[in-house]
Amino acid sequence: DAGVTQSPTHLIKTRGQQVTLRCSPKSGHDTVSWYQQALGQGPQFIFQYYEEEERQRGNFPDRFSGHQFPNYSSELNVNALLLGDSALYLCASSFYSVGGRGDYTFGSGTRLTVV
Amino acid sequence: AQRVTQPEKLLSVFKGAPVELKCNYSYSGSPELFWYVQYSRQRLQLLLRHISRESIKGFTADLNKGETSFHLKKPFAQEEDSAMYYCALSGVMDTGFQKLVFGTGTRLLVSP
Repeated sequence: DAGVTQSPTHLIKTRGQQVTLRCSPKSGHDTVSWYQQALGQGPQFIFQYYEEEERQRGNFPDRFSGHQFPNYSSELNVNALLLGDSALYLCASSFYSVGGRGDYTFGSGTRLTVV
Repeated sequence: AQRVTQPEKLLSVFKGAPVELKCNYSYSGSPELFWYVQYSRQRLQLLLRHISRESIKGFTADLNKGETSFHLKKPFAQEEDSAMYYCALSGVMDTGFQKLVFGTGTRLLVSP
């Protein structure tokens, strides 16, 4: 089991550009959550996808958007990049159960640097 | 509002010394608490969760609802315990979905 895989591992973009990050969940998982981890900070929740819909969202602007595909994989898109978007972006997958508290499996992350 | 506070950015101890990493939380409902660990150049991984009431790698954590705390303890620290430790809270939202709220982390450094 490959666990959660994220691509690319590193990325350098210029201010104003757009970026797409990708995540493949752990086998058997159907829910994908994205987190932003700035240097020296804990991961901050961006949003969560289940059944190809955004189910909940953290305090991030609309420049951050996402998508989930029928095979449960997911993309995180960030438009109009700012220097402050430089961070490690983590993907976490889980299995949804009603009222449940599933275990999360995290990927290694994508390190985004905006210059 | 959900909030997790880890007051110490760095905790430095000698091998064999006891360790306690502090975590306090704020949540109006009934939360689930976790400790995640990130070793150097490795991904974030679950260390333990309060409902399991188990000991992993010699670490234990007890949920104290009165003090809203979930401190992580180990009686005798080992050098391989050196890592970044994150306390996290999970609560089920009105949507029926849960999310993790993390603290800012504590770096544990165990010296020989």
